[in-house]
Amino acid sequence: DTEVTQTPKHLVMGMTNKKSLKCEQHMGHRAMYWYKQKAKKPPELMFVYSYEKLSINESVPSRFSPECPNSSLLNLHLHALQPEDSALYLCASSQALGVGQSNQPQHFGDGTRLSIL
Amino acid sequence: AQSVAQPEDQVNVAEGNPLTVKCTYSVSGNPYLFWYVQYPNRGLQFLLKYITGDNLVKGSYGFEAEFNKSQTSFHLKKPSALVSDSALYFCALYNFNKFYFGSGTKLNVKP
Repeated sequence: DTEVTQTPKHLVMGMTNKKSLKCEQHMGHRAMYWYKQKAKKPPELMFVYSYEKLSINESVPSRFSPECPNSSLLNLHLHALQPEDSALYLCASSQALGVGQSNQPQHFGDGTRLSIL
Repeated sequence: AQSVAQPEDQVNVAEGNPLTVKCTYSVSGNPYLFWYVQYPNRGLQFLLKYITGDNLVKGSYGFEAEFNKSQTSFHLKKPSALVSDSALYFCALYNFNKFYFGSGTKLNVKP
């Protein structure tokens, strides 16, 4: 069992749908991340939140909209996705960002496998 | 610029034999290095990290890694491989609030 919980595990949606991915952690971590992973490839960073504020956006298309309503939750809102957006979406958390936190590993959820029809 | 390279897409080893998964890095400043493992349909699991200190780092499931500053390498090792070690392994570098992942190495351990 992982300490980062992602729902749903699988999601199939059409290109005109709106859906949301959810991520939850109760480890008291103040940094949370969204990654996109294609099969047999490394995770690609999408967004980083630090203390509930967006810290890093890796030039992700606006059809992906992150939200961090509190320190335990991270959402990724999806709208008008393209077939190439089909991938495994991973959420991760770590204690915090910044000086002195470089020795803290990330804890990953098991991901949401997203398929765009 | 910082980067991580895993030169082998795949490593094959027989059960009971020692295994090595290679990783090299490039960074200005001190390297903060990690190894993660990913099993099918799962997220990444942390194995071990090097921040400072001893060049031989011990981690989970009997894995260890050797940090070599002169060769800018951080190879993952295990003295005796298990079939259950078969998975995808990622080396990662932490710098400026981001983790930079290598391309991954698929480890196949055959009975």
